[in-house]
Amino acid sequence: ETGVTQTPRHLVMGMTNKKSLKCEQHLGHNAMYWYKQSAKKPLELMFVYSLEERVENNSVPSRFSPECPNSSHLFLHLHTLQPEDSALYLCASSLTQEGGTEAFFGQGTRLTVV
Amino acid sequence: AQSVTQLDSHVSVSEGTPVLLRCNYSSSYSPSLFWYVQHPNKGLQLLLKYTSAATLVKGINGFEAEFKKSETSFHLTKPSAHMSDAAEYFCVVSEVDTGRRALTFGSGTRLQVQP
Repeated sequence: ETGVTQTPRHLVMGMTNKKSLKCEQHLGHNAMYWYKQSAKKPLELMFVYSLEERVENNSVPSRFSPECPNSSHLFLHLHTLQPEDSALYLCASSLTQEGGTEAFFGQGTRLTVV
Repeated sequence: AQSVTQLDSHVSVSEGTPVLLRCNYSSSYSPSLFWYVQHPNKGLQLLLKYTSAATLVKGINGFEAEFKKSETSFHLTKPSAHMSDAAEYFCVVSEVDTGRRALTFGSGTRLQVQP
C-alpha cells in the first residue's frame, strides 16, 4: 500500500454516462496528479494540482473535468466519453521539496467505455 | 524540456542471471531521476531515486542504478533476477529547478524472467 487510494478499481460506462473517479491520500502531500495509461503508450500526464490549485492541464479534452476540493482528495469527472478513452487512470501525490519530487501512486481505475 | 528514453521495450533474462534495463535522459537542469515498477494490474511502486547525492543509488528488492552525467544515463541493474521481478519498469525524470512538479515517464521496459 502506498497511501494513495483510488475508487473504483474497475468501471464500465456507456458513452452517454456521467461518472467520477476518486483519489484520496493522507500522506500530507501538497500536490496531486492524474495520469492516463493506455496500452502501448507512455504514461500521459493529464492534470496537476498544487495546494488545491490546478497548475497544469495538458491539453486534455473537456469531457474530462478534474476537481480538487482539498489537499487530500482529487476527483476526475467523466462525461460523454469515447471508446478511445478506455485506459488505466492513475492518481498520484507528492510533497514538493528540495531533492526531488517522488510521487506515490494509487492502484488505478481500469476504465472501459462501451 | 525534459525527456526520457528507455532503450529496450522488452528484456528477457533467465532466473539467477543479471538484469540491465537501460535509460537515457535529457534535461535542461539538474534532474532528479527515478525508477518505478508496475506489476500486472497494479499501480506504480518507487524502486529507487537519484537526487544529486551519491551517483550509485540502491533501491528495494536488490535493484540499483548509477547516474552518469557524462553519458546522460541512469541504467537499472540487479545482480540476480528472480521470478517475482517480472514486471514493467519505468525510468522517470523530474526537473526540480524549474519548479515543475510533475514527472516525465519513459515508455517502459517489460522484463520477463524465464525459469
